[in-house]
Amino acid sequence: EIVLTQSPATLSLSPGERATLSCRASQRISKYLAWYQQRPGQAPRLLIYEVSNRATGVPARFSGSGSGTDFTLTISSLEPEDFAVYYCQQRTDWSFTFGPGTKVDIK
Amino acid sequence: QVQMQESGPGLVRPSQTLSLSCTVSGGSITSTGHYWSWIRQYPGKGLEWIGYIYHNGGTYYNPSLKNRVTISVDTSKNQFSLKLSSVTAADTAVYYCARCHELLHFDIWGQGSLVTVSS
Repeated sequence: EIVLTQSPATLSLSPGERATLSCRASQRISKYLAWYQQRPGQAPRLLIYEVSNRATGVPARFSGSGSGTDFTLTISSLEPEDFAVYYCQQRTDWSFTFGPGTKVDIK
Repeated sequence: QVQMQESGPGLVRPSQTLSLSCTVSGGSITSTGHYWSWIRQYPGKGLEWIGYIYHNGGTYYNPSLKNRVTISVDTSKNQFSLKLSSVTAADTAVYYCARCHELLHFDIWGQGSLVTVSS
């Protein structure tokens, strides 16, 4: 099973700052890497799929990049509604795994 | 737009079977390329994929759970269901149903259903 590791566990930033979140896979994975945002009390919401494609309705300040084992989610300028937990997810061999999450909180 | 809603008991006794249903509205469960999935989230955040079903009944389960999991579909009701047998306290979680697009990512989620395993 491919294990996803996310860092940092918590990122404390101010509105307007840039957030850079990392997701690392235990083995090389294909382009099937997605990112989700989860606000308190809500279900996860798809942000990015296939490494760098924004889902419908996702603001342009969210971007994804990476390849091989290292992937990044960048939020160019944090809005108040962006303070949440972010998960990465991969698919290999018909199974799916999620990373443990990065919490972006207000500094 | 497509919406999904979980339903089922919030409390299950240890060793019993957890049963949940997910109703899909605003779209057909027989739509091509969509796989209907269950995902759970433990208290304190980790997400675990449980399994998925296609509208023709084809399934695939997380290997760590496959001995206890059954997912079924009822296309006439636009619903699919989860059964997890022999539950323990470790199965306490919020259970989400979600639509998996082209077996790649989960683009639509239900609001989640908290299931507590306790005597």
